[in-house]
Formats: sequence, structure tokens, C-alpha cells
Amino acid sequence: GQNIDQPTEMTATEGAIVQINCTYQTSGFNGLFWYQQHAGEAPTFLSYNVLDGLEEKGRFSSFLSRSKGYSYLLLKELQMKDSASYLCAAMDSNYQLIWGAGTKLIIKP
Amino acid sequence: GAVVSQHPSWVICKSGTSVKIECRSLDFQATTMFWYRQFPKQSLMLMATSNEGSKATYEQGVEKDKFLINHASLTLSTLTVTSAHPEDSSFYICSASTSGSPDSYEQYFGPGTRLTVT
Repeated sequence: GQNIDQPTEMTATEGAIVQINCTYQTSGFNGLFWYQQHAGEAPTFLSYNVLDGLEEKGRFSSFLSRSKGYSYLLLKELQMKDSASYLCAAMDSNYQLIWGAGTKLIIKP
Repeated sequence: GAVVSQHPSWVICKSGTSVKIECRSLDFQATTMFWYRQFPKQSLMLMATSNEGSKATYEQGVEKDKFLINHASLTLSTLTVTSAHPEDSSFYICSASTSGSPDSYEQYFGPGTRLTVT
């Protein structure tokens, strides 16, 4: 079956760095997405990886290893506004997004 | 950037009534729209995929006669929850993309509609 695993909750300190991991198993693979979702709001797009390696975009970076079925989202210089859920989603061979349950990130001062 | 709106943002209805939720792409033409449901502290669950001018494709376990989807134009899709029951209370989110291929992989999400059935 198809499955996405990511930690349920993580806590980090303002100004620090946090890495949110995601492992996936899908029927075929057409890319890995990360979305940010604040409570009560819709998800917003953060990143898309389809090739192995690290993609950097400001304070956020995303990494993919296709051979390992593994991705991570790296958040640097954490700010209080980064407190949100981070959703990992893999696109399968039918271009359907398979969603993880999300990682709730709590930022402490 | 691409903007998707949803209306209403929240609705309370009585059990047995029907509710219509609209999803609009404001500054682009959406060939494909997706409807999701999200229960508290759970992930997004895809309900159906709709392409303009054709019937929606429903995910397994989603009743197509209960959740009516219409994608009449390239900028508007509607989801009607018929004969709503309290277990239908959820956060309904639509998203839109400009094509169904990975060339336009990004889905633009609407702000969501919180439905409460009493």
C-alpha cells in the first residue's frame, strides 16, 4: 500500500534549526511536496522535490533521496510564526497526492 | 500568485439539509480542481478530482450521490453536501491546478470551509 510517515509533533526554540523527516512508499513517484498549514487554515505550498538533493529557499530547505524514500524539511532561524503543521505529500504514478498526517511544530521563545 | 477562494468560510446547518460550497480560481484557469476533507488533527483526505466539463472522479469510500461536485467552468467548482448529518461536520478544502500533469504540479488551496451540522 501507499504510506507517508512523519513525526506527529516536534518542539524547537526560536532562532534554532529544526529538521522534519518524512518517509514515503508510493506506487510510482512524481515528486515530494511540503506544505505549511496554520491551525484552521488551508495548506500553503513550501517546496517540491523530484530529483535527489537539497533545494534551498530562504530559511526553508527541502531534501530528497529517492532511493531511500526519504525527505526532510529544514527550517532555519526559527520564528514564532513558523509554529504550524507541516504536511509531507508524495505524488504517485497517477499524479495523485498521498498526504502524511502532518507534523505539528511548536516554537518556544 | 494564484489565488483560490472558497465560499462560505464557515456554515452551520441542520441535519437533513443540503449545503453548497463554492471554489473559485480568481486569477487563473483551473482545468483540475480537488476537494479534500480534513478532520481535526488528521491529514487531508482527497474526496474527488474534477475536470472542467466532465464528471468528477471520486475516491473509494466517498458517496458520489451525497457529495455532488460540479465543475461547470474553468474558474468554478461546487461541492454540495446533500442531506447533511453531524458526521459530515469537517473542514472542506478545495485546491486547483492548471493541469493534471506534473508540469503544473502545484496545487493552490482555497482557505477552506468549516461545516458544522447540528
